[in-house]
Formats: sequence, C-alpha cells, structure tokens
Amino acid sequence: DIQMTQSPSTLSASIGDRVTITCRASQSISTWLAWYQQKPGKAPKVLIYKASNLESGVPSRFSGSESGTEFTLTISSLQPDDFATYYCQQYNSYPFTFGQGTKLEIK
Amino acid sequence: EVQLVESGGGLVQPGRSLRLSCGVSGFTFRDYAMHWVRQAPGKGPEWVSGISWSGGRMGYADSVKGRFTISRDNAKNSLYLQMNSLRAEDTALYYCVKEGSHDCSPTGCYSHLWGRGTLVTVSS
Repeated sequence: DIQMTQSPSTLSASIGDRVTITCRASQSISTWLAWYQQKPGKAPKVLIYKASNLESGVPSRFSGSESGTEFTLTISSLQPDDFATYYCQQYNSYPFTFGQGTKLEIK
Repeated sequence: EVQLVESGGGLVQPGRSLRLSCGVSGFTFRDYAMHWVRQAPGKGPEWVSGISWSGGRMGYADSVKGRFTISRDNAKNSLYLQMNSLRAEDTALYYCVKEGSHDCSPTGCYSHLWGRGTLVTVSS
C-alpha cells in the first residue's frame, strides 16, 4: 500500500502569511493527488486535484505543486476562513490513502 | 442539487453486522464510481472502499478486507456497505462519496462530493 506522510502536523500562522504543507508518497503516484480542507463538524472539501488543478470555486490563493513523490499545498495569503485541517490523498492505486493531516492554527 | 444521504448507522456489538446505505440524487449515479470513507472521532479520514460505475471493480482498505463488502444498485441510485465481524476500531462516521470526473487515474478519482455521514458505534 502507498503511505502518505504529511508535514507538519500542526502549523501556527497569522493572517496574510504564506504557508506551505507537504505530503510525501512512499512510491510514485504520478500526479494523482488531491488536497482537502476540513472544518470541525463538516465533511472534507476538495481544493486541488491532480496535484495542481484548482477545484471550481476555490480561491486562487490556494495552489498545489509536485516534485517527484513530494507534493505541496501553498496558501499565498492566509485569510480567517482558511484556519482548518488539511489532508492529502493519493488516488493512484487502491487502497486510496490519506495523509495524517495538518491543523492550521491562528498564531 | 447533488445530495448523498447515508443511513443505517447505529450502535452495534462487536462481532455483529450492519449494512449502510447511501441514496443519491442530483446527478447520473450510474456514470460515477463511488466510495465509502470513514473518520473516527478526532482522527483523519480513512478511505474504506470504492466501486466502479458498473460495479465490476472494487477496492478495500486492508483494515476491512474480508469483512466489508461494497455494492451498488444503479436502478435505485443507491450505494451500500455490508459490514460484518465489526470491531471497536470500526467506530467512525461513515461518509458516502461521489468521485470527481476530471483528471482521474486509471484506477479512480479524487473524492469530489461527500454526504453528511452516518455514525457507526461498535461497543458492548
């Protein structure tokens, strides 16, 4: 099975900051990776698919990139609505696996 | 409006069975692969199982393989998860998930739309 290692587990940042979350796959997944945002009591919401494609309706301050088996989610300028938990997921092969999550907190 | 409505959750004793259902509306169900994803209290999501649009291809997490069976009825716009030999570690909120339709891998696609979930509690 493909393991997804996400870092950091917690990130403290301020409004307007640029933040980066990383996800590393244990083997090649091409670009079959998605990023999700989850807020308390809600289901996850897709932000990015195929490593760098922005889901319709998602603000352009979110972006994704890929370098080999390392994937990055960047928020260019944090807004109050962005404080949440973020997860990556590979969909290259079954079983599809999620990263452990990154909780983005207000500094 | 797309809707995915899960049902069938509840409190069940270890070793017993439960069948989850997901009724969908607002999209052409038979055109999409579907998944079950669960989330234990305070934990991240865990992909449980997926099924192709035709029902001909299925996948399972190692943690449920041999105990859970996913199925679908395209005529009834419904997805199912038969859960046998339940364990305490199966306690979670179970989400029904519709796959995306853009830039999908040969195996499947990202989780596009999620239901609200149905809670399964396994305890004696």
